[in-house]
Amino acid sequence: DAKTTQPPSMDCAEGRAANLPCNHSTISGNEYVYWYRQIHSQGPQYIIHGLKNNETNEMASLIITEDRKSSTLILPHATLRDTAVYYCIAATDSWGKLQFGAGTQVVVTP
Amino acid sequence: SQTIHQWPATLVQPVGSPLSLECTVEGTSNPNLYWYRQAAGRGLQLLFYSVGIGQISSEVPQNLSASRPQDRQFILSSKKLLLSDSGFYLCAWSAVAGGTSSYNEQFFGPGTRLTVL
Repeated sequence: DAKTTQPPSMDCAEGRAANLPCNHSTISGNEYVYWYRQIHSQGPQYIIHGLKNNETNEMASLIITEDRKSSTLILPHATLRDTAVYYCIAATDSWGKLQFGAGTQVVVTP
Repeated sequence: SQTIHQWPATLVQPVGSPLSLECTVEGTSNPNLYWYRQAAGRGLQLLFYSVGIGQISSEVPQNLSASRPQDRQFILSSKKLLLSDSGFYLCAWSAVAGGTSSYNEQFFGPGTRLTVL
């Protein structure tokens, strides 16, 4: 699976959009981009995934560049409960071997 | 709806003692099951995964083992714990890919925090 690179931390004001970048310059054609988040002392929670088209669900939007070398997870209106570590993972759509890196620690402040 | 249970929630064990952590899933059948470990301040490491009863694949050689005696039950064991076995143990499940879901849409349990002294 391709390696992903994320900033170690970022702050966001409550009510504003949080844009979380992820670089995956070596991603292959059959690898999806998955996003999970982990609130302190809990198990990770699936957020969204995509292959090449932009995706949106009730939690977030995923914007993937045309060359697929990077993506951005957007939390449209961040709340204090969105404070968590966010993981970007590139993986094929088979057999759940998810490689969790260090992720981005997002802190939402009032 | 599907739910995943893990117990115990916390555990303190002496070095050299045995270990048994249990995970059960409700509301689905024939799930893929996973055991992860997260050491303090680190990312998650996949330890074992299973596609069916009695079918276990190990990702990392270690003194831990896993078993799947029933379709929705996954057990993590050790005969003799090491200090390095301390960590946060997470069980997860995923459905067989198809439709709008994929193998990698995994659902995690609440975890077991293990401290080996």
